[in-house]
Amino acid sequence: EIVLTQSPGTLSLSPGERATLSCRASQSVSSIYLAWYQQKPGQAPRLLIYEASSRATGIPDRFSGSGSGTDFTLTISRLEPEDFAVYYCQLYGSSPPRYTFGQGTKLEIK
Amino acid sequence: EVQLVESGEGLVQPGGSLRLSCAASGFTFTNYAMSWVRQAPGKGLEWVSAISGSGGGTHYAESLKGRFTISRDYSKNTLYLQMNSLRAEDTAIYYCAKGGSYFDNWGPGTLVTVSS
Repeated sequence: EIVLTQSPGTLSLSPGERATLSCRASQSVSSIYLAWYQQKPGQAPRLLIYEASSRATGIPDRFSGSGSGTDFTLTISRLEPEDFAVYYCQLYGSSPPRYTFGQGTKLEIK
Repeated sequence: EVQLVESGEGLVQPGGSLRLSCAASGFTFTNYAMSWVRQAPGKGLEWVSAISGSGGGTHYAESLKGRFTISRDYSKNTLYLQMNSLRAEDTAIYYCAKGGSYFDNWGPGTLVTVSS
C-alpha cells in the first residue's frame, strides 16, 4: 500500500508570499494519478490540480502543481487571504481501484 | 451545473445501520464513477468506497471489512451507501464525490454520528 506524506504539517505565511507544499509517495507513482485539493473550514474539499500539474476549472493561475516519481509539489505563487486553508494530495491506484489521501497541510496566516 | 446533495444524516447506536443518499444532477450520471469519502471530526480525508459508471464495479477501503455497500439508481440519478454494524469510529462527515482517478465535484456532506 502506497502512503502519501505531506509536509510541512502547518505552514505559516503572510499574504503575498509564496507557498510550497510537499507530497511524498512511499514508492514511485504515475503523475497522472496525483491530485491536490483545498478545504476550508465547514466546506467540502475543492479540486485544485489533477494529473499532478493540470489546473481544474476555475482555479487561479497562482496555483501550480509539479513533480514526478515520489515527490510532488503544490505552489501558490502569491498568497491571497482566501488561500489560507488545508491542502490535501490524493493518489489513485487502479489495481484494484483505491484512493489514498495525504494527511494534509494547514496553511495559516502568519 | 453539477450538483451533488447528500442526505441521510443521523445519530445511530453502535451496531446499528444507516443508509446515505446522494442526489446527482447537471451531468450524465451513467458516464462517471462515484465515490464516498469521509472525514472524522478534526481529521483528514478517508476514501470509503467507489462504484463504476456502469455500476458493475464496486470497491471498498479494506478497513471497512464488508460492513458498507455502495450502489446507484440510474432512474433516480442517486448514489447510495448502506452502512451496517456501525462503530464509534465511523462517526464522520460523509461526502459523495464524482470522478474516476480524481474527484472534480463534491457534495456538501452529511454527518453520521455513532454513539449510545
